[in-house]
Amino acid sequence: GQNIDQPTEMTATEGAIVQINCTYQTSGFNGLFWYQQHAGEAPTFLSYNVLDGLEEKGRFSSFLSRSKGYSYLLLKELQMKDSASYLCAVSGDFNDYKLSFGAGTTVTVRA
Amino acid sequence: GAVVSQHPSWVICKSGTSVKIECRSLDFQATTMFWYRQFPKQSLMLMATSNEGSKATYEQGVEKDKFLINHASLTLSTLTVTSAHPEDSSFYICSARDAGDSYEQYFGPGTRLTVT
Repeated sequence: GQNIDQPTEMTATEGAIVQINCTYQTSGFNGLFWYQQHAGEAPTFLSYNVLDGLEEKGRFSSFLSRSKGYSYLLLKELQMKDSASYLCAVSGDFNDYKLSFGAGTTVTVRA
Repeated sequence: GAVVSQHPSWVICKSGTSVKIECRSLDFQATTMFWYRQFPKQSLMLMATSNEGSKATYEQGVEKDKFLINHASLTLSTLTVTSAHPEDSSFYICSARDAGDSYEQYFGPGTRLTVT
């Protein structure tokens, strides 16, 4: 089975940095995704990691350690519009591309 | 970028009726489409994988006779919720994988189904 854990909620101040952790135990591994989802909308792609290390994309960075089954999403220079749910998802099988999602972390950015 | 549309964006139906939701890839060919369901404050749960020209593969616990999936072309997949009940009320989201892409899935905007 697939088990993906991430914190339920986080709160941070505008301009600050927040790190959202994700741990996973899956029967296979073909990459880890981070998505942003605003209430009532579909998820939007943020990042993809398949090799160990840090991937940086503007204000967002994502890290992966396959040996530890661990990833984090780092949000820098937080803006009010970053208030959303952040979903960690793992692709377990190269052949079917199915994604297993964590429950999501709701980030609230305060002025 | 790749765009996926869903129709309708929201629908209200009476208990016992059927509802069809369309998922279209607008600017790419999608050999594989996925259907998810999301209840309030919960994450996305994969319901089924839809491959063009073949039968859908359903996840454990999803009734294939209740959630009919058709993927008749490389740009269109449909999900029909048959004999809907209030507990089927949910946010249904599709995603599509570009045959030429190595890993990314593109999500549709979702369909809010309310069964009264």
